[in-house]
Amino acid sequence: GENVEQHPSTLSVQEGDSAVIKCTYSDSASNYFPWYKQELGKGPQLIIDIRSNVGEKKDQRIAVTLNKTAKHFSLHITETQPEDSAVYFCAARIGNTPLVFGKGTRLSVIA
Amino acid sequence: NAGVTQTPKFRVLKTGQSMTLLCAQDMNHEYMYWYRQDPGMGLRLIHYSVGEGTTAKGEVPDGYNVSRLKKQNFLLGLESAAPSQTSVYFCASRAWAHEQYFGPGTRLTVT
Repeated sequence: GENVEQHPSTLSVQEGDSAVIKCTYSDSASNYFPWYKQELGKGPQLIIDIRSNVGEKKDQRIAVTLNKTAKHFSLHITETQPEDSAVYFCAARIGNTPLVFGKGTRLSVIA
Repeated sequence: NAGVTQTPKFRVLKTGQSMTLLCAQDMNHEYMYWYRQDPGMGLRLIHYSVGEGTTAKGEVPDGYNVSRLKKQNFLLGLESAAPSQTSVYFCASRAWAHEQYFGPGTRLTVT
């Protein structure tokens, strides 16, 4: 089955700097890649997603890139702010099968 | 539109006791999921449902049962709770080919 690896497990950045989180997936049939943000004590919230027919997608300060050849996708957060501090999860899905999640990255933005 | 709701928010059980966690969604979603979240382990799928009256096993189904008698509700049961089932449980739902939404979680402690 699908396997998703996520790196790094923790990431600290200075406020205003950029943060990058990377994920690799094993099954080339995966065609949907969402990213979730989880704040302390809350459920994961979808922040951006990308489908396999697109190479990059942006939404204000966040962007996701997908490299199907290398089977990896990345989350980019620019101009980080303290409220970006959270745990971020990547995931991959084949068709309508369940999402397979990475183990998460704890991002700390230092003011 | 309340989205995905979970009942209860917190629960403490003694080993061997039983309980049912309720997930409800008001978005007419076909797919519903139960995950558990443990430190360092990410989100692991317990059981899921692709429609009313259907259920399927996920990655970690042992010790849990589920039922989907109504489209809007997905119940997770623990027949004989064990300390290893201490975790935070999240429910999620989605429509076909659409993004997945999570509930706020249930924190369960088994002593």
